[in-house]
Parts: sequence; structure tokens; C-alpha cells
Amino acid sequence: GESVGLHLPTLSVQEGDNSIINCAYSNSASDYFIWYKQESGKGPQFIIDIRSNMDKRQGQRVTVLLNKTVKHLSLQIAATQPGDSAVYFCAEAAQGNLIFGKGTKLSVKP
Amino acid sequence: ETGVTQTPRHLVMGMTNKKSLKCEQHLGHNAMYWYKQSAKKPLELMFVYSLEERVENNSVPSRFSPECPNSSHLFLHLHTLQPEDSALYLCASSRRTRETEAFFGQGTRLTVV
Repeated sequence: GESVGLHLPTLSVQEGDNSIINCAYSNSASDYFIWYKQESGKGPQFIIDIRSNMDKRQGQRVTVLLNKTVKHLSLQIAATQPGDSAVYFCAEAAQGNLIFGKGTKLSVKP
Repeated sequence: ETGVTQTPRHLVMGMTNKKSLKCEQHLGHNAMYWYKQSAKKPLELMFVYSLEERVENNSVPSRFSPECPNSSHLFLHLHTLQPEDSALYLCASSRRTRETEAFFGQGTRLTVV
């Protein structure tokens, strides 16, 4: 499930630090915005979603922020761990289907 | 692990071959999907099935032919593919369409030679 060959933006963080992954979207009519994580050799895995009428939602160690004014979505990971190393995709749910972005590769340094 | 199993994991085929990718889920989901993940593009939705009926075909060439015999199984039949079709093909399922949480298989890494 690796995104081999993609020239992905890369974020490198120290273990224990907080990570912030950003995403810009284009469709103002999207109902939901979602974050997925894809570890090497695996398919994407759902992390968290946020409805378009919200601006913040928290999960376990993750927070998603939505700024509709500038069409910006971010995923914050608290106390980043080596197991968080993966490619992170934002996605929009428009008319029911998931439209994925290009992804950001997160590398966690021990 | 996710409950969605894809076979084979890797496939190399010639441009004149015919092969099929298989996907199986026992999560009780009613919607199944095929996605294409290639090196230079984001995940692309190819087909959507809901209750065994195809509800969406995103302008996919006819050399890709999906089949959904029941709500637990999904196939992607391949014939006369091109080298640019080489990619990771991912199957996913969700309880119904329009769900934000889809469960993905590990994918089939396809190489067309």
C-alpha cells in the first residue's frame, strides 16, 4: 500500500513532539472532511472526520481543524510516536464519494 | 486486519493477458469500491457498488471490468491493459455509500509489461 514514487511533501518530527499536517481543499460544497493514514504495505486507514459545519474535532491524540474561509484542513498529532510514521491523506466527501488529496509523508525520528 | 482481503498481493501481466483481482469482505458492509493508486496521482475512485449494483463508474476504460456477485465479493477483471495501468489497486468497503469511513484492503500491486 505504499505510495512509492510520489513526490510527497515530507514532515519530519522528533518522537514526542506534536505534528501538524496541512491540507488545502477546493470544493466548498463538501459535506465532510476526513483524514486517512497509510502505512507502508497497507491500505489507507480512517483516522478522523469533521463535518463541514464544525471547525474542530478531537480524537485520541489527534485533532482536526477546519478553516472554511481559506479552505484549509489540518491534522494535529500530539506526542508523535514512531508508529505514526506513514503517509497522511486528507479527503473530501462530496456527493457521497471520497476525493483524496496527494498526501504528506510523516517521518518520526527516535 | 481491516476485514477486507485482496488477492493476489502482486501481479505481473502482459498487455495481452486477462487476469482478475479479487476482494472479499465479511464486515457486513453494503458498499464496495475499487480505487487506483498510482505513482503520480492521488487515489482515484474507479467503481462504486451498493448492494451489488454498480452505482458509479468514473470514466474508467472498458479494459477494466468490475463484477460484484454478492455483497461480500468484488472482482476487477483486466484485459489488454497498458503499461500506464501499472499501479496499486485498492478495494474498500463501507456500511453503505456516502460513509466517510471506508475500510481498505492491502491492495494488489499490478505491473503491466
